[in-house]
Amino acid sequence: KNEVEQSPQNLTAQEGEFITINCSYSVGISALHWLQQHPGGGIVSLFMLSSGKKKHGRLIATINIQEKHSSLHITASHPRDSAVYICAGGSQGNLIFGKGTKLSVKP
Amino acid sequence: SQTIHQWPATLVQPVGSPLSLECTVEGTSNPNLYWYRQAAGRGLQLLFYSVGIGQISSEVPQNLSASRPQDRQFILSSKKLLLSDSGFYLCAWSAGTAVSGYTFGSGTRLTVV
Repeated sequence: KNEVEQSPQNLTAQEGEFITINCSYSVGISALHWLQQHPGGGIVSLFMLSSGKKKHGRLIATINIQEKHSSLHITASHPRDSAVYICAGGSQGNLIFGKGTKLSVKP
Repeated sequence: SQTIHQWPATLVQPVGSPLSLECTVEGTSNPNLYWYRQAAGRGLQLLFYSVGIGQISSEVPQNLSASRPQDRQFILSSKKLLLSDSGFYLCAWSAGTAVSGYTFGSGTRLTVV
């Protein structure tokens, strides 16, 4: 079992839909990171959170420390949101990555 | 502002040939530096990390090596590439604290033929 698990593995949505990607972790972490990887491979850091909730534009990330669970939400999804979303737990100066959720938003 | 540069973006190398991928960071000092690999259909895996010049920690045994000759330079090398070395290689840096953010390079797609 991976220390950081994401679900779903693949997700197809229609433009405008509300999207949720889930992440559970079984190790102690100091911070939870959400990353976005575009088809070319480049990775962008979306959020880093250690408690509560953060919002940036149409993206919202939440974390429940007690339940060791985090969610990434995308409101009013758009085809340009299509990418792989990766959850990673920060621990002892390193990141432990989930395998990613491949999101495809259809127009 | 801090930036990270990684090159080349794409590389096709024959089996048995050497490899050198370079990563440099600007706008910060004494960063933690990382090399990750993403094999096809798999998640990111830490290969090496460095907390200072000449200090390299290896996470996965393999025929790759890393060096940090300067504070903001991190190099991934191999003397003889294997087919299994194909993948997407990412360099990253962080300030190294418990809640530091990470900044990733643009990646190198290596195909060993």
